[in-house]
Amino acid sequence: AQKITQTQPGMFVQEKEAVTLDCTYDTSDQSYGLFWYKQPSSGEMIFLIYQGSYDEQNATEGRYSLNFQKARKSANLVISASQLGDSAMYFCAMRGGNTPLVFGKGTRLSVIA
Amino acid sequence: NAGVTQTPKFQVLKTGQSMTLQCAQDMNHNSMYWYRQDPGMGLRLIYYSASEGTTDKGEVPNGYNVSRLNKREFSLRLESAAPSQTSVYFCASSDFAGTPYEQYFGPGTRLTVT
Repeated sequence: AQKITQTQPGMFVQEKEAVTLDCTYDTSDQSYGLFWYKQPSSGEMIFLIYQGSYDEQNATEGRYSLNFQKARKSANLVISASQLGDSAMYFCAMRGGNTPLVFGKGTRLSVIA
Repeated sequence: NAGVTQTPKFQVLKTGQSMTLQCAQDMNHNSMYWYRQDPGMGLRLIYYSASEGTTDKGEVPNGYNVSRLNKREFSLRLESAAPSQTSVYFCASSDFAGTPYEQYFGPGTRLTVT
């Protein structure tokens, strides 16, 4: 079974600063994938970034990067140059083998002008 | 290309009433999922269908039934609604039930049971 832990219920960041959202995971699968989703106040789930367990490079997508440390079982999301529109809930999730996504409880990010 | 659509968007039920949440996807995906989202709990899997003709229980299946009507449609039924089922329900789909396939989500159904 997979488990995702997000220990930061809420985070604040100044506009234009970088912020790291923590995510640790637990799985016995050798092959798995890690995902981050954003949920703005409007409620939709927006896919941000994916990291495969065998990927040697950290994933990047524009201002988003995933700091993948396999030995520590962590998959932190780094948002560079924060914008007001980044204020939202952020969910870390994983899937292994043929299983559906398992989500963490989320971190609410607030960007301050 | 509508992606994943859900109906209705909002619903209020009385305890004991039944209803079906509808979900359809137009991406020719094999796998479909139902999640519920409660404050502070993240998204929890109710049921999923890895492929047409199969369904499996997730983490919180009690009180729900599902039907994979065809490749496009996956419905969630509440036979006798309870206040504990007040939640936001998300349907999702993906190419296959495995990495690296991301899940695409519908807009959600906000259900209140009084």
